[in-house]
Amino acid sequence: QKEVEQNSGPLSVPEGAIASLNCTYSDRGSQSFFWYRQYSGKSPELIMSIYSNGDKEDGRFTAQLNKASQYVSLLIRDSQPSDSATYLCAVGNDMRFGAGTRLTVKP
Amino acid sequence: SQTIHQWPATLVQPVGSPLSLECTVEGTSNPNLYWYRQAAGRGLQLLFYSVGIGQISSEVPQNLSASRPQDRQFILSSKKLLLSDSGFYLCAWGQNIDTQYFGPGTRLTVL
Repeated sequence: QKEVEQNSGPLSVPEGAIASLNCTYSDRGSQSFFWYRQYSGKSPELIMSIYSNGDKEDGRFTAQLNKASQYVSLLIRDSQPSDSATYLCAVGNDMRFGAGTRLTVKP
Repeated sequence: SQTIHQWPATLVQPVGSPLSLECTVEGTSNPNLYWYRQAAGRGLQLLFYSVGIGQISSEVPQNLSASRPQDRQFILSSKKLLLSDSGFYLCAWGQNIDTQYFGPGTRLTVL
């Protein structure tokens, strides 16, 4: 069974802080990794994809991948209240999703 | 640009009634299409995916079925709904095998 695990949270950070979201996966053969943001009652929207070990930055978002440790993370710098949402990790060509981490950014 | 539509946005149905949810994609051709279900407070469960007209792969045995009568149309159906079918149904499209983009979703409540 291919598993994707995320801490359900809620994770609460103050405005302006760095939010760190983590995801682990069980399938060592996975080659593609995605982070989606889902606002309450809305559909997920793609934030970032990452395929190689290391960091990938896009604006305030940085995805980090460590295939040896089977670990992918998302850092959100200068967190804003508008970042408050559930963040979903998806792994592999068959897009296995974690249950998501709920992030709250407090003003 | 590509857009994806789903309807209806919300639906309340009695147990045992039939279901038909529709998804259409604009601005692309021969997309991969997907149906997901998200139960309250849980992650996304892939139900069906399609790589072409008439080609449907099922991920989870259940009382749901899917059809793709046209290139950019994907339909999710049931002959008899169960209480456990309640959830948020999401259609997604992708041009590559991995990256997917989601529609607005249909919130289904089975009473």
